Amino acid sequence: GAGVSQSPSNKVTEKGKDVELRCDPISGHTALYWYRQSLGQGLEFLIYFQGNSAPDKSGLPSDRFSAERTGGSVSTLTIQRTQQEDSAVYLCASSLKGGANNEQFFGPGTRLTVL
Amino acid sequence: GENVEQHPSTLSVQEGDSAVIKCTYSDSASNYFPWYKQELGKGPQLIIDIRSNVGEKKDQRIAVTLNKTAKHFSLHITETQPEDSAVYFCAAIATNAGKSTFGDGTTLTVKP
Repeated sequence: GAGVSQSPSNKVTEKGKDVELRCDPISGHTALYWYRQSLGQGLEFLIYFQGNSAPDKSGLPSDRFSAERTGGSVSTLTIQRTQQEDSAVYLCASSLKGGANNEQFFGPGTRLTVL
Repeated sequence: GENVEQHPSTLSVQEGDSAVIKCTYSDSASNYFPWYKQELGKGPQLIIDIRSNVGEKKDQRIAVTLNKTAKHFSLHITETQPEDSAVYFCAAIATNAGKSTFGDGTTLTVKP
């Protein structure tokens, strides 16, 4: 079946603009995760959804970052007033059920470049 | 919170040799330890995982060992092949938490 998809695959924006990144998880997966991966770095946890609620938002780096999930499926990560340090690859993952000891399936990521 | 350290950051081996990547973690509540392989331009993919009630797990050329007392776990790849070249990430997770803490990754290069 289809895996996790993310769009756009690449996004170039100007400093100060808002961006929206989309994640379509695997159908039936109740848990959804957002991560940020800077060049040559590991994965930085941003937020975790169980259904439509976000029990753990502790990784969001500032109030410019927000995320929502509707219908227990698609999720959108929004970055307002983008800064150059926001440039990174944003990865989304989903897992069949909640509880972090379930395999996470990753999407290909969105590469964000802030000029 | 959890802190995961991964070593080495880069590793180059000759085809056919073994490769070992090590991770340490800080939170004794962590009890699930997956390893991911990330190829260029793709998202990470789970290759093997281990839970805290097990000390070692093998899957063909890949094995993972866990020492809960010392809070470290390792990935072992035997008979390496050029297609094993990728970035490998370890992670440590507490079962009742939604948050996964990843290491910074190891870039493995297998020279033919």
